[in-house]
Amino acid sequence: GQNIDQPTEMTATEGAIVQINCTYQTSGFNGLFWYQQHAGEAPTFLSYNVLDGLEEKGRFSSFLSRSKGYSYLLLKELQMKDSASYLCAVTDSNYQLIWGAGTKLIIKP
Amino acid sequence: DTEVTQTPKHLVMGMTNKKSLKCEQHMGHRAMYWYKQKAKKPPELMFVYSYEKLSINESVPSRFSPECPNSSLLNLHLHALQPEDSALYLCASSQGGSPSMYFGPGTRLTVT
Repeated sequence: GQNIDQPTEMTATEGAIVQINCTYQTSGFNGLFWYQQHAGEAPTFLSYNVLDGLEEKGRFSSFLSRSKGYSYLLLKELQMKDSASYLCAVTDSNYQLIWGAGTKLIIKP
Repeated sequence: DTEVTQTPKHLVMGMTNKKSLKCEQHMGHRAMYWYKQKAKKPPELMFVYSYEKLSINESVPSRFSPECPNSSLLNLHLHALQPEDSALYLCASSQGGSPSMYFGPGTRLTVT
């Protein structure tokens, strides 16, 4: 079966760094996405990894290890507006997007 | 323009009503999607249109009927819905060869 695991909820402090992990087992792999979703709003695209390594984009970085079926999203200099759900999603061999359940990130002042 | 628009933003309908959700993008994307999302759950794929042809139908009940009149528009026709169909309905689009999927703001549907 296809499975994507990420923590249900995490809490971090404003100004700090947080790492959200995602592990996956899918039938094939054609890329991993991270999306941010604020409550009641649509997901917004954050990052895409298809090769091993770290992709940095401003305060957000995403890492992928295909051999380990593992990714993380790193958020630096946390701001209150970063409080949201973070969704990990993998494109399988049929180019279908398999979604994780999402990690709710709570930022405290 | 990297925007996907959806109308209406909110919709309340009775179980005997017929209504339609609309989605539009002008990015030249050739793949368009309908997703359904319940609270605190990830989006669930309903339909995929590729080059205006229905390519994926994820065993969605027939009370949901998609339509793609042209490459920029995607509709979802609703008829005889059930209260459990209440959810956020998201439209998205993507371009072949590009991994980015752009989501519209969604329609919050309540079936009474």
